[in-house]
Amino acid sequence: DVVMTQSPLSLPVTLGQPASISCRSSQSLVHSDGNTYLNWFQQRPGQSPRRLIYKVSNRDSGVPDRFSGSGSGTDFTLKISRVEAEDVGIYYCMQGTHWPPITFGQGTRLQIK
Amino acid sequence: EVQLVESGGGLIQPGGSLRLSCAASGFTFSSYWMHWVRQAPGKGLVWVSRINGDGSSTTYADSVKGRFTISRDNAENTLYLEMNSLTADDTAVYYCTRGSNCVDWGQGTLVTVSS
Repeated sequence: DVVMTQSPLSLPVTLGQPASISCRSSQSLVHSDGNTYLNWFQQRPGQSPRRLIYKVSNRDSGVPDRFSGSGSGTDFTLKISRVEAEDVGIYYCMQGTHWPPITFGQGTRLQIK
Repeated sequence: EVQLVESGGGLIQPGGSLRLSCAASGFTFSSYWMHWVRQAPGKGLVWVSRINGDGSSTTYADSVKGRFTISRDNAENTLYLEMNSLTADDTAVYYCTRGSNCVDWGQGTLVTVSS
């Protein structure tokens, strides 16, 4: 199974400041079809997960443009350009290249300083 | 608008059985892989099972293999998870999700296994 490792696991950020979350996979996430199925999810307190980013860098509909994804191969990053109060929650990366099983990172808890 | 609505959770004794349902709407249900993902209290997301569009292919996490059965009724736009021989380790919120990269999620249904 592909192991997804996120860092940091806790991320205190000042409102208006940038934030960055790293996700590393135990093997390359490049699929035989040429795509890289690395996704990012946000889970606000008490809510279901919501997908933010798919295939490394594509924002889902309705996702603010302050969220961006980048990376390749085994190293990926989610960046928030200016953190807002509504961004508080846990962020997960997930790989959909080598499945089953789909595997998630441990989660990064973003909180406001 | 895509909607996924899970139901069927509750308190069940160890060794018991439960069937979860996920009612889908707003998309062509039979065209999509569907998954069950669970989240134990205070823990992260863990994939449980998947099923292809016509129900002919299913896969399970090792932790539930032989105990859980995923199925679907495309005429009723409903996904199911039959859970047997439940243990405390199965206590979690169970989510159904749409598509191979989990584009949409339901609100989840809580399963608590306890005596």
